[in-house]
Amino acid sequence: GQQVMQIPQYQHVQEGEDFTTYCNSSTTLSNIQWYKQRPGGHPVFLIQLVKSGEVKKQKRLTFQFGEAKKNSSLHITATQTTDVGTYFCAGLAGGTSYGKLTFGQGTILTVHP
Amino acid sequence: EAQVTQNPRYLITVTGKKLTVTCSQNMNHEYMSWYRQDPGLGLRQIYYSMNVEVTDKGDVPEGYKVSRKEKRNFPLILESPSPNQTSLYFCASSPSGNPWTQYFGPGTRLTVL
Repeated sequence: GQQVMQIPQYQHVQEGEDFTTYCNSSTTLSNIQWYKQRPGGHPVFLIQLVKSGEVKKQKRLTFQFGEAKKNSSLHITATQTTDVGTYFCAGLAGGTSYGKLTFGQGTILTVHP
Repeated sequence: EAQVTQNPRYLITVTGKKLTVTCSQNMNHEYMSWYRQDPGLGLRQIYYSMNVEVTDKGDVPEGYKVSRKEKRNFPLILESPSPNQTSLYFCASSPSGNPWTQYFGPGTRLTVL
C-alpha cells in the first residue's frame, strides 16, 4: 500500500534559524496536505498542495509539491518559539482509493530561545 | 461555533468490553475520518466516509467498525477491545467544496487493560 516517509523525525533549532521537513510518497498523490500539532493538542490544517511543482507561502512558511507529485517539503524561515510542535504531511491517494489519507510520521520541532 | 466533538475524551476499559467513541460535527461536512496516533507512528487512518452510508477502510481497520447513518455523526466501535488498541484517537471532518481541509476533534485517549 501507499507509504509516506517524513524526515527528520526530530529537529532542534535556535530561534532565528531555518527549518525544513521533507515527505516522500511511494506512489503518486492526488494532493498533499500539511498539519501542525502543538504538544497536547490536535492536528491543525495548514495548507493543501494539488498541482505538480506547486509552491505556496504563508508568511514565514513555504510549501512545495514535487514535479512528480510524490514528494513535498515545508520550510520555515527564521523560526520562532511559537513554531514549536509536530509537523505532519498527509498524502491523498487517487483512483479507487480516493479519500484514503496516509500521514507521514511527523517531524517534532523544538525551538530554543 | 463550528467544531468536531468526541466523547468520551478519556476512557479506561478492560479487554473484550465493547465500546463506542462518538464523533459529531456541526459543519455539514461530507467527509469524515478516524485516526489513531501512536508515538513514532504518526497518525494512521482507520476508516473514512465520503458521505452518508459510504465508508471505506483506511490503513489500520482491523478490530474497528464504523457507521455513517447521519451526515453529522461517525461513531467508532470497538467490538472486543484489546490492549494493542490503547491509543489516542482523533475524528476529523472536511467540507465538500475542499474536502481535504480536515478539522480535527480534540481526541479520545483510550486505555485497554
